[in-house]
Amino acid sequence: AQKITQTQPGMFVQEKEAVTLDCTYDTSDQSYGLFWYKQPSSGEMIFLIYQGSYDEQNATEGRYSLNFQKARKSANLVISASQLGDSAMYFCAMRFSGSARQLTFGSGTQLTVLP
Amino acid sequence: NAGVTQTPKFQVLKTGQSMTLQCAQDMNHNSMYWYRQDPGMGLRLIYYSASEGTTDKGEVPNGYNVSRLNKREFSLRLESAAPSQTSVYFCATEILGGGTPQETQYFGPGTRLLVL
Repeated sequence: AQKITQTQPGMFVQEKEAVTLDCTYDTSDQSYGLFWYKQPSSGEMIFLIYQGSYDEQNATEGRYSLNFQKARKSANLVISASQLGDSAMYFCAMRFSGSARQLTFGSGTQLTVLP
Repeated sequence: NAGVTQTPKFQVLKTGQSMTLQCAQDMNHNSMYWYRQDPGMGLRLIYYSASEGTTDKGEVPNGYNVSRLNKREFSLRLESAAPSQTSVYFCATEILGGGTPQETQYFGPGTRLLVL
């Protein structure tokens, strides 16, 4: 079965420091997509970054980068130079080729940025 | 452009009542989705519509029906609400609708539903 695991229910980081949010997955599929979404306290789901399973380079979007280690089946989100506005819940999600219609979500990590 | 809009933002129902959640998008995307998010969990797919005129079940379809009214609108109906349907409901869209692993889904702001 396809599964996403986020082992950090909560994380704290000092403003301006970098933070890594962990995500591991379990699949036998060769083709899949990895996504990270941010959910602030206002509740909306904001798309942050995408990594394809065949992409050789790690994805980057501004202060967000994805540390993709295919052999270890991990797709950690790195946020550089944390800002107070980064405080939110972060979800790792995947689309697998076998059930590509559905985004499968992890349980999320609550990030708090401290001033 | 408004992107993906959902109405209402918040609703309280009594057990057994019915209601329809509305979703509309102005991005000309082909596919639309309904998810629910329960406390402490990620989102789970209820129904989706790959293109206008088609709908299919997702992971948790029981107790729900959907209608893809046109390319822009996708509604979710609860015929007889139950407390177990208390949740936050999200509508999402994607551009091509091919359902490939590479496609990104974009979410609306959500509807908070409380069933007493």
